[in-house]
Formats: sequence, structure tokens, C-alpha cells
Amino acid sequence: GEDVEQSLFLSVREGDSSVINCTYTDSSSTYLYWYKQEPGAGLQLLTYIFSNMDMKQDQRLTVLLNKKDKHLSLRIADTQTGDSAIYFCAESITGATNKLIFGTGTLLAVQP
Amino acid sequence: GAGVSQSPRYKVTKRGQDVALRCDPISGHVSLYWYRQALGQGPEFLTYFNYEAQQDKSGLPNDRFSAERPEGSISTLTIQRTEQRDSAMYRCASSLGGDSLQFFGPGTRLTVL
Repeated sequence: GEDVEQSLFLSVREGDSSVINCTYTDSSSTYLYWYKQEPGAGLQLLTYIFSNMDMKQDQRLTVLLNKKDKHLSLRIADTQTGDSAIYFCAESITGATNKLIFGTGTLLAVQP
Repeated sequence: GAGVSQSPRYKVTKRGQDVALRCDPISGHVSLYWYRQALGQGPEFLTYFNYEAQQDKSGLPNDRFSAERPEGSISTLTIQRTEQRDSAMYRCASSLGGDSLQFFGPGTRLTVL
């Protein structure tokens, strides 16, 4: 079946690196995504990675994908207070719909 | 428009009433998705449109839920005879095509009393 799991909470100090982890079950996923949700705001697409890639870097964000273990991580370098939010990983299911399966979200709290 | 818009942003209704939630996708986006997000959870897929065709409604929880997109642009999600368990954030997303990135609107927070 389709299932995406994340740890619920992560607390870091400003300036440190944050690593948010995610595991998924569907081996046929084509893309994996990270979305950011701030209070009162919509879901913002942060970054994504194609399933045949191992790593993708985009400024302060690094995505690592271990397809064998079905493990995805998001590393945020030099974490800022503005990075405080809920982070969702999601996988897209191969097929006509391309619907997204989301994890439960990780609340990142950045301490000044 | 610049992004996906949804209206109303907040809706409070009494149990048993019907509600209609609107989604206006990014101009030119042919694919439109509805998701529902309960408190403390990630969004869950409800239904998908390609142009005006509803190609997947496997996530609609029961027959009180329906959606349409008659002209292939604006979509309406209708919930009939609302129940308290329908309270959630309803999110709409659009994409250029079925295999493209999905961009989300701000959501409609539905509260059923």
C-alpha cells in the first residue's frame, strides 16, 4: 500500500543544520517532494527529486534519496527562524492521476 | 492569475447544510486536484480533473461529496448534508499537466457545527 512516514517534531538552534527524514513505501514513485506549510498559509513547494537521482541541492536545501531503503531527507543549512514551519514529504504515484501521497508532517521549531 | 485561489477562505456551517467550495487554478493549468487535510495530518487526495473530465474520484469519502469543473477552469467541490466529521482544510492544487508539479491554493477551512 501507499504510506509515507515522518517524525513529528524537530527543534534546532538558529544557524544549525536541520535534517528532516521521511520514509515511503511505494517503489514505483516517480517524484518525491518537500512542501512547507506556514501558519495560515498554503502549501509551498520547496523542492523535489526525481526517483533516479540520489541527491539534489538548491541553495540552502539538500535532498537525499536512498531508493533501496525508500528513505528521503531534507537538509536545511544555516537554519533561520523563518524556516519554522511544518514540512511535508510527498510521493507521486505513477499512473494517470499523479496524485500525491503526503506524510503527516514534521514541525520544525527554530530557537533563536 | 498569479496563483491558485480558493474561496471562501473560511466557512462555518451547521450540520445538515450543503456547502460549495471554489477553486480557481493557475491560468493555463489543465490538471486540478482536490485534497482534504485534517488537523495534524497531511493532505489526502480526493479527486482529479484533466480539463473538464473528472478522471479520478477514488478519494471522495462517500456520495455526499461531489466535484465539477464544467469549463475546464474553475472547479467546485460540493458537500451535501454536512457532518461534523467533514470539518477540515480543503486544498486545491493545479498543474500544467498530469505529470507536472502541483501548486496549492491557500485552502478553505470548513467547520461544521
